[in-house]
Amino acid sequence: NAGVMQNPRHLVRRRGQEARLRCSPMKGHSHVYWYRQLPEEGLKFMVYLQKENIIDESGMPKERFSAEFPKEGPSILRIQQVVRGDSAAYFCASSPFRPGQGASPLHFGNGTRLTVT
Amino acid sequence: TQLLEQSPQFLSIQEGENLTVYCNSSSVFSSLQWYRQEPGEGPVLLVTVVTGGEVKKLKRLTFQFGDARKDSSLHITAAQPGDTGLYLCAGARVGNAGNMLTFGGGTRLMVKP
Repeated sequence: NAGVMQNPRHLVRRRGQEARLRCSPMKGHSHVYWYRQLPEEGLKFMVYLQKENIIDESGMPKERFSAEFPKEGPSILRIQQVVRGDSAAYFCASSPFRPGQGASPLHFGNGTRLTVT
Repeated sequence: TQLLEQSPQFLSIQEGENLTVYCNSSSVFSSLQWYRQEPGEGPVLLVTVVTGGEVKKLKRLTFQFGDARKDSSLHITAAQPGDTGLYLCAGARVGNAGNMLTFGGGTRLMVKP
């Protein structure tokens, strides 16, 4: 009964490198959300995906950031040419789709802590 | 600008004390969820409130959703060190598919033995 799995747990990148963050949702969940959290702050929405589709990317910077959720395999959050300001914890969450039943709870992974040096 | 304002931001109390955490907004939400997050981990859902005026109890935790569905409170009775953590409220706007959650900035609670 695996929960949401994120890897790596910790990622160190130098300025200008690329960061790839992976998220495997809970079994049976077809909706994936990515959130970013700075120290001592709440979670900021980045992007919401279903299989092979980006539904809402209004919280994701237009440059350097991209996300995908392919038909097979985990969801990937990709940050190109990282800068120090990208240092944060990135959380992935998944939920089942329950039309007409209001907001279903999100199941979060334990996050990837990205440090840009 | 936070769509959901949580107060207080930080709270340090002694074991056995009571406390209330507030979550306020000018927006109406279809439902509101409370999560608790411990260091190094992801948030874990505590409760979902859906109906205006709804009150839910989870052992020593009491959650209330405002009548207008714009605000919520979390009351903890006789706090214990195990209650220490970051408490996050999240308002849901149900879209065409799935759900969109907006999180408040969180209340960091420390309960000292």
